[in-house]
Amino acid sequence: QKEVEQDPGPLSVPEGAIVSLNCTYSNSAFQYFMWYRQYSRKGPELLMYTYSSGNKEDGRFTAQVDKSSKYISLFIRDSQPSDSATYLCAMSPNFGNEKLTFGTGTRLTIIP
Amino acid sequence: DTGVSQDPRHKITKRGQNVTFRCDPISEHNRLYWYRQTLGQGPEFLTYFQNEAQLEKSRLLSDRFSAERPKGSFSTLEIQRTEQGDSAMYLCASSRGRESNEKLFFGSGTQLSVL
Repeated sequence: QKEVEQDPGPLSVPEGAIVSLNCTYSNSAFQYFMWYRQYSRKGPELLMYTYSSGNKEDGRFTAQVDKSSKYISLFIRDSQPSDSATYLCAMSPNFGNEKLTFGTGTRLTIIP
Repeated sequence: DTGVSQDPRHKITKRGQNVTFRCDPISEHNRLYWYRQTLGQGPEFLTYFQNEAQLEKSRLLSDRFSAERPKGSFSTLEIQRTEQGDSAMYLCASSRGRESNEKLFFGSGTQLSVL
């Protein structure tokens, strides 16, 4: 069993919808949680990071962490066609960027 | 920032050949990381450098793999005697420091195909 599980999708939603992306993890040592966005033939780009349970909001994006359930989520409000990409969750046991453990990624398509 | 640059973007090689990839991090970034990403999977950590020192290597990095970062600037990743299982996207990333709020910048990767 992988340390980080993520539904690979694909997920298609109409423009303007709220998108919910999720990851579960098994390693209770993970303390630092990130969401990356990856466009085709590009490297991942950091969207959000958090290191505590609760919500963190940045524009149309909200990251949610529930350490008791080992469950993290990313919500995208008012989704746009430009949000179409693969979304990767990533985690680390320490307060640093080294040795990130990524999920498999969820491929998202926003339909105009 | 000009971004993390990787060269080449694509590499096709025959099984058994050696290949070398180059990564130029964002200037003044002390940390440099190598990850590998296969189709439909997330990136997997391979190794990272603090300046010129290679601080950790993943068990994924077999003896056929070697990475260097001379003078703490650009880095190279060499794969000797390539195998078909080495086919993947090799991603380089850099950051100013080790703290988690130091944003990690990824390059666009080198896509390796071993025939």
